[in-house]
Amino acid sequence: AQSVTQPDIHITVSEGASLELRCNYSYGATPYLFWYVQSPGQGLQLLLKYFSGDTLVQGIKGFEAEFKRSQSSFNLRKPSVHWSDAAQYFCAVGGSRAGNMLTFGGGTRLMVKP
Amino acid sequence: KAGVTQTPRYLIKTRGQQVTLSCSPISGHRSVSWYQQTPGQGLQFLFEYFSETQRNKGNFPGRFSGRQFSNSRSEMNVSTLELGDSALYLCASSQQGSPMTYEQYFGPGTRLTVT
Repeated sequence: AQSVTQPDIHITVSEGASLELRCNYSYGATPYLFWYVQSPGQGLQLLLKYFSGDTLVQGIKGFEAEFKRSQSSFNLRKPSVHWSDAAQYFCAVGGSRAGNMLTFGGGTRLMVKP
Repeated sequence: KAGVTQTPRYLIKTRGQQVTLSCSPISGHRSVSWYQQTPGQGLQFLFEYFSETQRNKGNFPGRFSGRQFSNSRSEMNVSTLELGDSALYLCASSQQGSPMTYEQYFGPGTRLTVT
């Protein structure tokens, strides 16, 4: 069965500081990987995706993520955090072995200090 | 292009009642998936529909059901509501074909409260 682990439930960073959110997945083949962001009371917005090819992928709002097959990781990064980035972030994995569905991690809540 | 829309946005029901939630996918998207989000269980997959057929189903009791219409709009129904059904129900749509099927776009959700 596929699974996603986001080890950090909460992270606090200062505005302007860099950010890295961790994501580890378990999947028996090449996965499709996603990062979503959810603001309070809202649905999920897709930040970026990895299907194949270049392991460093760029997304919206200045986010990027790197796929590392050897570490089964897909960490999300941003060089300089803005106060508006405060939200909950979810990593997800999908693939044909588990049907047309996404499996989500538990999420990381990001707080930004002024 | 308009995003995924869900109605209603908020709903309060009493235990034992039933409820129907609606989802309109992005134009041209034919796959619709439903997820339940709760603080305790996180995001859990309910089911996925394509061309009016349920293709995949998560581990939920039979009280949870859904359907899809010929215009790709989808509804989900929960019968005999329980307090534990209180959650944010999210609908997502995607294009057909791998890997695009997994690139899912979510609506704002319907917040269901069961009292």
